[in-house]
Amino acid sequence: KNEVEQSPQNLTAQEGEFITINCSYSVGISALHWLQQHPGGGIVSLFMLSSGKKKHGRLIATINIQEKHSSLHITASHPRDSAVYICAVRSNDMRFGAGTRLTVKP
Amino acid sequence: EPEVTQTPSHQVTQMGQEVILRCVPISNHLYFYWYRQILGQKVEFLVSFYNNEISEKSEIFDDQFSVERPDGSNFTLKIRSTKLEDSAMYFCASKWADSNQPQHFGDGTRLSIL
Repeated sequence: KNEVEQSPQNLTAQEGEFITINCSYSVGISALHWLQQHPGGGIVSLFMLSSGKKKHGRLIATINIQEKHSSLHITASHPRDSAVYICAVRSNDMRFGAGTRLTVKP
Repeated sequence: EPEVTQTPSHQVTQMGQEVILRCVPISNHLYFYWYRQILGQKVEFLVSFYNNEISEKSEIFDDQFSVERPDGSNFTLKIRSTKLEDSAMYFCASKWADSNQPQHFGDGTRLSIL
């Protein structure tokens, strides 16, 4: 069983839609990261969370430590949000989810 | 905004050869990392480095791999006797402090072993 599970694997949305990507993990963690990987391969760190909720622009990340679950929300989605979103947890080292491929259509 | 830079962007090497991937972390950062992503697969942690020594390494990071900070700016990953399965995208990352700080990633080096 993967230590970090993301859902959905693929997601297609229309521009303007509210997007939710989920991440569940099975190990004890000190922090959880949400990363964005662009089609060219580059990775950008979006959030690092150890509790509660963080917001940056149209992006919101939440974490529930007791339930070992995190969500990444995108409000008013835009085609430029199209990317792979990766959940990663810091345990003894960093463990990565397989990513959620988001496509936002105009 | 300061960036982590990686060179080269694409490296093609014959199987069995040694390869050195180079990274210049953000200048005041203290923690450094290498990750690998085989095409179509998850990103995998390789190694973390702090205070001129390895702080953590994964099972992947065996004797074939080594890291070095040869001067005050570069952070290198050396892969000896490369194998076909070493073909992957290799990402370097750095951060300033251990806790509550995000990692900043480079754009990666695509390594192709022929």
